[in-house]
Amino acid sequence: SQQGEEDPQALSIQEGENATMNCSYKTSINNLQWYRQNSGRGLVHLILIRSNEREKHSGRLRVTLDTSKKSSSLLITASRAADTASYFCATDRLANRDDKIIFGKGTRLHILP
Amino acid sequence: EPEVTQTPSHQVTQMGQEVILRCVPISNHLYFYWYRQILGQKVEFLVSFYNNEISEKSEIFDDQFSVERPDGSNFTLKIRSTKLEDSAMYFCASSEAGAGGYTEAFFGQGTRLTVV
Repeated sequence: SQQGEEDPQALSIQEGENATMNCSYKTSINNLQWYRQNSGRGLVHLILIRSNEREKHSGRLRVTLDTSKKSSSLLITASRAADTASYFCATDRLANRDDKIIFGKGTRLHILP
Repeated sequence: EPEVTQTPSHQVTQMGQEVILRCVPISNHLYFYWYRQILGQKVEFLVSFYNNEISEKSEIFDDQFSVERPDGSNFTLKIRSTKLEDSAMYFCASSEAGAGGYTEAFFGQGTRLTVV
């Protein structure tokens, strides 16, 4: 079953605006990770947030985690053209003790000049 | 900064041929993974590997696939007899601890496999 689902599927905003992407998941987790992928390129790790954390910052990135709602958000402040990419959340599954992370379908972010 | 390295970046192969995709994980990492991404689709888990054995595999990872850590640095994915539907970007990843171990999984740049 689908573990992570991002929304929106696609987002276009003006340069300088903030971009917010959301991720929902189904089962309890140990941690949640956000990745960026430029078109046709590799997956770049952005941030990991543990299940006992509620918020984490890294530069212009702010990630929140609400385990009661099984959801996370990624906020990119003061967006730049270089932020144009697809963004994925990835989660493990606490209950199953699986040795893998599962990716959502991603949000395609387009920053307009 | 340490990184996961994958070679080749692009491989074109005839249907039915064997391919080996190579990865050099980050040196102090103990857990290794292969994922694939068919063009325009989501990133799918194939297999995880720890302590010289497969720890988990998906239903995609059938008998045509195998993984190996032939020496202390390389981690390979072999597809024995490629099919057209194997065309995808294949990503290798490594982490210090397993998926639930609160450590990041770092991914390589990928190998784009095209089966013709």
